[in-house]
Amino acid sequence: ETGVTQTPRHLVMGMTNKKSLKCEQHLGHNAMYWYKQSAKKPLELMFVYNFKEQTENNSVPSRFSPECPNSSHLFLHLHTLQPEDSALYLCASSQDGTSGSETQYFGPGTRLLVL
Amino acid sequence: GQNIDQPTEMTATEGAIVQINCTYQTSGFNGLFWYQQHAGEAPTFLSYNVLDGLEEKGRFSSFLSRSKGYSYLLLKELQMKDSASYLCAVMDSNYQLIWGAGTKLIIKP
Repeated sequence: ETGVTQTPRHLVMGMTNKKSLKCEQHLGHNAMYWYKQSAKKPLELMFVYNFKEQTENNSVPSRFSPECPNSSHLFLHLHTLQPEDSALYLCASSQDGTSGSETQYFGPGTRLLVL
Repeated sequence: GQNIDQPTEMTATEGAIVQINCTYQTSGFNGLFWYQQHAGEAPTFLSYNVLDGLEEKGRFSSFLSRSKGYSYLLLKELQMKDSASYLCAVMDSNYQLIWGAGTKLIIKP
């Protein structure tokens, strides 16, 4: 049983749609992350939240909008996406994001296809 | 810039040993991680190295040389279930993970 869950697992959307990805962690962690994983490319860090505060935004286009209402939940709101945004979106959590040895635990991801 | 290099794909035989290399150039170093990712699944933690040397954990071992910016993951007694992608990642000075593109390991009977 995974400590990090993501819904939906698969999503197909048009470029004019608005959708949201949801992540929930049951590990008591205080840091949460959104990553984008494209085929044969390194994981790209998109956003980091520590204790519900956004601490990192790696030059992500504004069509991606994160929301972290509490330390257990993380959302990624999507609107007017482009076909090149099609990828696997992974959520992860860790203790508090301040230690080098801190392991990140990943959810299974949302496979997104933008038509 | 920051860069992590690892081979794109490797093939090995069931029961054999395989070594997956990773070289890195990053702004600062707070440790190196190896993750395993089966197709369609979440990456899962395998190992963490911050000091030079070899860390052994069952059939898997991980080695680090900070002076050379080099690590490897050694898998022994390969099993079919070891077919997966293996991701190398370095924690930089900002405590962010910098990732390699992953090595797809194919195990043949």
